[in-house]
Amino acid sequence: EAGVAQSPRYKIIEKRQSVAFWCNPISGHATLYWYQQILGQGPKLLIQFQNNGVVDDSQLPKDRFSAERLKGVDSTLKIQPAKLEDSAVYLCASSWTGNTIYFGEGSWLTVV
Amino acid sequence: SQKIEQNSEALNIQEGKTATLTCNYTNYSPAYLQWYRQDPGRGPVFLLLIRENEKEKRKERLKVTFDTTLKQSLFHITASQPADSATYLCALDGGGNKLTFGTGTQLKVEL
Repeated sequence: EAGVAQSPRYKIIEKRQSVAFWCNPISGHATLYWYQQILGQGPKLLIQFQNNGVVDDSQLPKDRFSAERLKGVDSTLKIQPAKLEDSAVYLCASSWTGNTIYFGEGSWLTVV
Repeated sequence: SQKIEQNSEALNIQEGKTATLTCNYTNYSPAYLQWYRQDPGRGPVFLLLIRENEKEKRKERLKVTFDTTLKQSLFHITASQPADSATYLCALDGGGNKLTFGTGTQLKVEL
């Protein structure tokens, strides 16, 4: 079974530029999550989708971050404009029923 | 506010010994508590889930306890091996699979 796919794996951008990350969850998983993990910290939930509807986006900085999950499958997370403090790993995860969440390898963002 | 504490100092133990990691929380009533393993440059990998009405859960060399009175979970790895070296994250789920993670504890198992 293929895991959660993310791209790009690494991205370096200048502050005020924009960046987009893509995620393809495990086939059949209705729930998709985006987490932000800053170095030395645990992952922090940014947004949770159930199919193509948003379940929770309370910790998403909506002035600069946006996410969509068209057709209830893959998802895109965008940051515009980026700030230095956005440097982090962006982890996509998915789950079906039950509580086991499967994470991708992450997209590493460095803002300079 | 909700707080999850894991020992930020790395835990170094000898191969064959039992590693015990601690997760304490405050201002939280989780329905579930989960433990994940994270290797450098990789995403977290699910290990074990324990429900609020369960005291203990085991899986091979892993054991998790959950004390809702003390607001604490202990994670044990018995007969530890160098391959167990990683960062271990605890995560609380108040419902709906919305996980709040601790900062993780790095475990190093030495020969």
